[in-house]
Order: sequence, then structure tokens, then C-alpha cells
Amino acid sequence: ELKVEQNPLFLSMQEGKNYTIYCNYSTTSDRLYWYRQDPGKSLESLFVLLSNGAVKQEGRLMASLDTKARLSTLHITAAVHDLSATYFCAVGGGSNYKLTFGKGTLLTVNP
Amino acid sequence: GAVVSQHPSWVICKSGTSVKIECRSLDFQATTMFWYRQFPKQSLMLMATSNEGSKATYEQGVEKDKFLINHASLTLSTLTVTSAHPEDSSFYICSASGLRVNTEAFFGQGTRLTVV
Repeated sequence: ELKVEQNPLFLSMQEGKNYTIYCNYSTTSDRLYWYRQDPGKSLESLFVLLSNGAVKQEGRLMASLDTKARLSTLHITAAVHDLSATYFCAVGGGSNYKLTFGKGTLLTVNP
Repeated sequence: GAVVSQHPSWVICKSGTSVKIECRSLDFQATTMFWYRQFPKQSLMLMATSNEGSKATYEQGVEKDKFLINHASLTLSTLTVTSAHPEDSSFYICSASGLRVNTEAFFGQGTRLTVV
């Protein structure tokens, strides 16, 4: 059974600081996703990582994937208040894009 | 990205009634659709996977007679919560994948169900 562990679950940080969210998974997978969820809303796709060593960046967020270590990271650079949200990693398995989600990281960026 | 539309966005119903939630892929053919459930401040839990024209595959612990899933066309899947009870109140989210969008599944806007 695929298990996805995300940490930390809660992250409170000040604007301008950097931090990393970690996502570990238990079995081999060829797809790793990061999503953002705002309160009361559905998921917004941030990154799709499909190969070992993949690194993608969008604004203040950068995601990477190490399939050998079964680890993905989401790095936040110089955080701003607008980044406050819950971030989920999800691991894909099989050919139909079934996903197993981590528990999510509630990020609060304080002014 | 591809667009998945979910309707309604929110619904309030009385205990014992049934509620239908629709999930439509607007600009691609969704060969597979997924239904998730999310309780407040928790992660998404997969309820079932449906392939067009086939019976849905339910995850362990999900009552198939209570959560009826139909995927009769390549653009529409429905989730019907039958004989709803307050404990069924939750946020339900669908996602869809297809041949044209072959790296990920795209999510609908979600449906907030409140059973009173």
C-alpha cells in the first residue's frame, strides 16, 4: 500500500523567510504532484514532477523530486502573505492517474 | 490546463434524501474520473474510480450502495449520495483524466454537502 508522509503539517513563518516542505512516499512511483488549496476551495495544480532529478520553479515556489530517495521537496523563498494556504503532495500510481495524498501542510505567512 | 466543472458548488439537503453531484470535463474526453471526499482540515480520501462505461471501483470502506457513481459518457460522471445523513456532510471533489491530458488528472471546483 502506497503511503505518503508530508511534513511539517503546520508551518508558521514570517514574510521574507525561506522554508522547505518535505514529502516522502513508500513505494516506487513515476509521478509526484504538488497542489495548493485555499479555504473552501478545490485544488490548484502547482507542479507535476515526472522524473528523477526534476526541478520546477514558479515564482517563490520550487519543487524537486528524488525518486531514489522517494522524496520530493517544496521550497518557499522569501515568503509573502499570499502564499498562506494548505499545500498537498500527491503520488501517482498506475496508468489512470489515481493519487494518494499526503496529509497536507497548513502554511501561514505572517506579516 | 484542461477544465473540469463540478456542480453544484454547495448543497443543503434534509436527512434521508438523495443528492446528485455532477462532474463534467469541458474540453477533453475523460476516460477516468475519480471521486474524493475531504473532511474539514483533513486530506483528500479517494472514494472511487470510474471508467467510462464500466462499473466504478470503490476503495475499501466506501459503501457502494450509498455512494452511487455513474460514468455513462466520456464527459460526465455523477455521484449520488443516497439517503443522506449528517455524517455524510463533507467536501466532495472530482477529478478527471484522459488521453489528451496524459500527465495528470484535473480537479473540479468541489461540492460542499451539508445534511441537516
